[in-house]
Amino acid sequence: DGGITQSPKYLFRKEGQNVTLSCEQNLNHDAMYWYRQDPGQGLRLIYYSQIVNDFQKGDIAEGYSVSREKKESFPLTVTSAQKNPTAFYLCASTSGGARTDTQYFGPGTRLTVL
Amino acid sequence: GNSVTQMEGPVTLSEEAFLTINCTYTATGYPSLFWYVQYPGEGLQLLLKATKADDKGSNKGFEATYRKETTSFHLEKGSVQVSDSAVYFCALSDTSGTYKYIFGTGTRLKVLA
Repeated sequence: DGGITQSPKYLFRKEGQNVTLSCEQNLNHDAMYWYRQDPGQGLRLIYYSQIVNDFQKGDIAEGYSVSREKKESFPLTVTSAQKNPTAFYLCASTSGGARTDTQYFGPGTRLTVL
Repeated sequence: GNSVTQMEGPVTLSEEAFLTINCTYTATGYPSLFWYVQYPGEGLQLLLKATKADDKGSNKGFEATYRKETTSFHLEKGSVQVSDSAVYFCALSDTSGTYKYIFGTGTRLKVLA
């Protein structure tokens, strides 16, 4: 079955450490996205990528970094510069380019900073 | 810029009650409109969408009509079930040439047996 996988489901990090969240899709989609979700809030865009080897900052990119070396993969690194990283992180993808495209979401990674 | 406003929750209903969750938007051009549902601890799933004015999206008994004159996309269901308890997000596709999507803050629905 095609879909998006995120790993791990739960992640614990000590303050001052960088951590990388994995996102893989086998939908052959061009565009991929990372969102952050905090309790009782909507989704806030961190980064997105329209095509391999290209990505753009979203609304809350500070303290995060990404890469897009392969079409199917879009890992997110939460750096020690991110002041409040505890949140639920969602990866999504679309086939790309059309305003009618549906976003498909992964199951999410819950990051907790100890 | 484009934005989405949806009613605050939680919305608490008895089983078989009628559901309306309001969603209004601000956008230039012609966005597509979406409703997503999120169950606890999971990602979002598309519930329904509409891509042009007067389109009606429907799925699993839920409906929403793209009303350009009132800039609205309200979600309705005639008879809710306990299994419909979840958080519902209204969203639109950005019309400024990016690949971005704008989400509302979500509305939590609780259905009591």
